[in-house]
Amino acid sequence: GAGVSQSPRYKVAKRGQDVALRCDPISGHVSLFWYQQALGQGPEFLTYFQNEAQLDKSGLPSDRFFAERPEGSVSTLKIQRTQQEDSAVYLCASSLRDRRPSANTEAFFGQGTRLTVV
Amino acid sequence: AQTVTQSQPEMSVQEAETVTLSCTYDTSESDYYLFWYKQPPSRQMILVIRQEAYKQQNATENRFSVNFQKAAKSFSLKISDSQLGDAAMYFCAYRSAYNNNDMRFGAGTRLTVKP
Repeated sequence: GAGVSQSPRYKVAKRGQDVALRCDPISGHVSLFWYQQALGQGPEFLTYFQNEAQLDKSGLPSDRFFAERPEGSVSTLKIQRTQQEDSAVYLCASSLRDRRPSANTEAFFGQGTRLTVV
Repeated sequence: AQTVTQSQPEMSVQEAETVTLSCTYDTSESDYYLFWYKQPPSRQMILVIRQEAYKQQNATENRFSVNFQKAAKSFSLKISDSQLGDAAMYFCAYRSAYNNNDMRFGAGTRLTVKP
């Protein structure tokens, strides 16, 4: 497709269940980001990939959160033993690598996955 | 660390009127990018306008324009001739030119457009 695709759009998980959220970035985009957006808040950075390399995972809230992008395209965010505080919208974004001086820094977002932990 | 502040949780504007959304940021970097994103109920973040810090001229995209005051670290969004379809959450964002993964968002402003 032409845009960033995320699946599923909605996920309800029982507390303690493991979940996996998928992101298909725009073809050719080197950079991929995951954000967590709590209700009524702005997105908070979770992790960043450049191709298959996870260069920054400083935003992951706990070791229950794990992300991968093994072939430098599709990425999966996995949350183990979900807790109620994990309920949020998880946004994925991708962008071309910043090539200065003709920098293209726009990040294109998917529609997110709304995770509800009950 | 860079921070982005949107001091207006909610704003309201009459259709066809003009509204300005405020954003301030804090950084010690000299080169960066600033963005306004729109998030409708569909949740997809849509880029509205972008400003490079090294450009003095304010960015303009049709009915959307910014007032970029680098010294004051202020980046407000003006929406002219507001339309019902402009109703959404608006997020101001900062992205470092030195650290590609460093993109920070404000808490957002919910814009209501009254017919």
